[in-house]
Amino acid sequence: QKEVEQDPGPLSVPEGAIVSLNCTYSNSAFQYFMWYRQYSRKGPELLMYTYSSGNKEDGRFTAQVDKSSKYISLFIRDSQPSDSATYLCAMGGRTGGGNKLTFGTGTQLKVEL
Amino acid sequence: NAGVTQTPKFRILKIGQSMTLQCTQDMNHNYMYWYRQDPGMGLKLIYYSVGAGITDKGEVPNGYNVSRSTTEDFPLRLELAAPSQTSVYFCASSSGGGTEAFFGQGTRLTVV
Repeated sequence: QKEVEQDPGPLSVPEGAIVSLNCTYSNSAFQYFMWYRQYSRKGPELLMYTYSSGNKEDGRFTAQVDKSSKYISLFIRDSQPSDSATYLCAMGGRTGGGNKLTFGTGTQLKVEL
Repeated sequence: NAGVTQTPKFRILKIGQSMTLQCTQDMNHNYMYWYRQDPGMGLKLIYYSVGAGITDKGEVPNGYNVSRSTTEDFPLRLELAAPSQTSVYFCASSSGGGTEAFFGQGTRLTVV
């Protein structure tokens, strides 16, 4: 079993839809949770960072962490074509493995006009 | 406000050739990382460093070497290029272990 599982998609939604992206994890030592956005042929760009259970909002983006269920989500409201990208979840903390980040494989999102 | 800078952006190597991928960051981060990204496979950690003079292997270190003589620079060396090393390589840095990392724009390497 992978430490971090992420549905690869692709996910196709109409413009204006609410998008839900999810990751599950197995290592309870993870303390920090991140979402990255990666456009084609570009480097991953940090979107959201949180270290506690609950919700964190930034504009149209909301990150949700449920440590009891080992589940994190990213919600995108009023999705735009410019949101079309691959979204990677990442987790880190004092995992005993050198405190490195562990990434999901990414979900490809396409927002259509 | 450069962040993490990687050079070159693209490179084609012949089997058996060697090259160095350059990475520099201007955020005074202690932690630096090298990842490779293959289609559908996510990011795989090659090597990482927790500070100048300290490096350690990640998941897929075979065929690569690194050094960290300064806080700013973390070059990745390929000694004998193989087709299996065809990939996109990303360098990243962070202020602490396991915390948010900032990525460069990548080096697209093809070995033929």
